[in-house]
Amino acid sequence: EIVLTQSPGTLSLSPGERATLSCRASQSVSSNYLAWYQQKPGQAPRLLIYGASSRAAGIPDRFSGSGSVTDFTLTISRLEPEDFALYYCQQYGSSSCTFGPGTRVDFK
Amino acid sequence: QVQLQESGPGLVKPSQTLSLTCTVSGNSISSGSFYWSWIRQPAGKGLEWIGHIYSSGTTKYSPSLESRVTISIDTSKNQFSLKLNSVTASDTAIYYCARVYKGGPMGYFDYWGPGTLVTVSS
Repeated sequence: EIVLTQSPGTLSLSPGERATLSCRASQSVSSNYLAWYQQKPGQAPRLLIYGASSRAAGIPDRFSGSGSVTDFTLTISRLEPEDFALYYCQQYGSSSCTFGPGTRVDFK
Repeated sequence: QVQLQESGPGLVKPSQTLSLTCTVSGNSISSGSFYWSWIRQPAGKGLEWIGHIYSSGTTKYSPSLESRVTISIDTSKNQFSLKLNSVTASDTAIYYCARVYKGGPMGYFDYWGPGTLVTVSS
């Protein structure tokens, strides 16, 4: 099973700042089959990025994904108030998908 | 617009079977392009994939839950269901159903239901 580690656990930033979230895999993620989700309290997760760098429909272009093999990054170029939330990465390149533990982006 | 909605008992006794149904609208569950999946999230914790089913009835389960899980599909009702037997308090969680866009061996979750809280308690 591929284990995903996300860092930092919590990111404290202000609106307008840049957020850089990391997701590291315990082994290579084939074909960059990695997705990112945003979750707000009381809501289901929302797909942001798939295939490591493709934005899902309706996702603002301030969200971008990058990386390959075992190291992946979600970048939010300029934080909007609605972006303060929990973010999960998920790999789907193996026969059993797994999620990372999440990174919380909160107000500084 | 694709919508998913979970339904089922919110309280299950220990050692009994948890049963949930997901009703899909806006997309035929018979479509060959997707899997249909269950994911859970204990309060304040992360996401755990439980398993998924294809329109043909083919299933894939998480190795950690495989011995207790059954996912089934009813294409006539555009629904799929989850059964988890021999539950304990550690199965208390919000349970989500989701559509899986196929990619590689698995896929990513592009539409989710709002989730339903299931508590295991006597």
